[in-house]
Amino acid sequence: DGGITQSPKYLFRKEGQNVTLSCEQNLNHDAMYWYRQDPGQGLRLIYYSQIVNDFQKGDIAEGYSVSREKKESFPLTVTSAQKNPTAFYLCASSIAGSTDTQYFGPGTRLTVL
Amino acid sequence: KQEVTQIPAALSVPEGENLVLNCSFTDSAIYNLQWFRQDPGKGLTSLLLIQSSQREQTSGRLNASLDKSSGRSTLYIAASQPGDSATYLCAVSQGGSEKLVFGKGTKLTVNP
Repeated sequence: DGGITQSPKYLFRKEGQNVTLSCEQNLNHDAMYWYRQDPGQGLRLIYYSQIVNDFQKGDIAEGYSVSREKKESFPLTVTSAQKNPTAFYLCASSIAGSTDTQYFGPGTRLTVL
Repeated sequence: KQEVTQIPAALSVPEGENLVLNCSFTDSAIYNLQWFRQDPGKGLTSLLLIQSSQREQTSGRLNASLDKSSGRSTLYIAASQPGDSATYLCAVSQGGSEKLVFGKGTKLTVNP
């Protein structure tokens, strides 16, 4: 089946730790995105990548880092510099960019203990 | 700066009712507008995408309209069912930007 997978579904982090969220797609899409969703707020863009080995900051990139070494993979690292990381993280992909339909993964819920 | 507003924030209707969800945006220079559905604790599912040159799109019981000049879109759901209960989000894409700007969503509850 084609789609986007995210792992883990739930993640717990102690303060001061870095954690990495996985996002994999087998849709052969060029563009991939990471969003953060907080209660009562819309989705906010963290990072996006339009092509392998290239990525751009979104609106709230501080405290996060990404890599795009393979077309199908776009992992997100939440670093200890992110002051309020508890949130629901969503990965998405599209054929070529935001002008195309975006397909979303099931999300990862990160909780800082 | 583009802002997207969805009203109402929550809506509760009896099964079988036709309903309309509203989305407004402040900058009419959009490339397209998308409607998504989100179930609790899940990712988003794309419902409809309307290009800026289009007036409406239909999929089954769903019909989305776009009035770019007035900065408005509506999602019409016909003959609502309990399975339609979810949060519905709209998002706009602007030319030259890779960013989708999302509204905060409308939480729909369809009561049997």
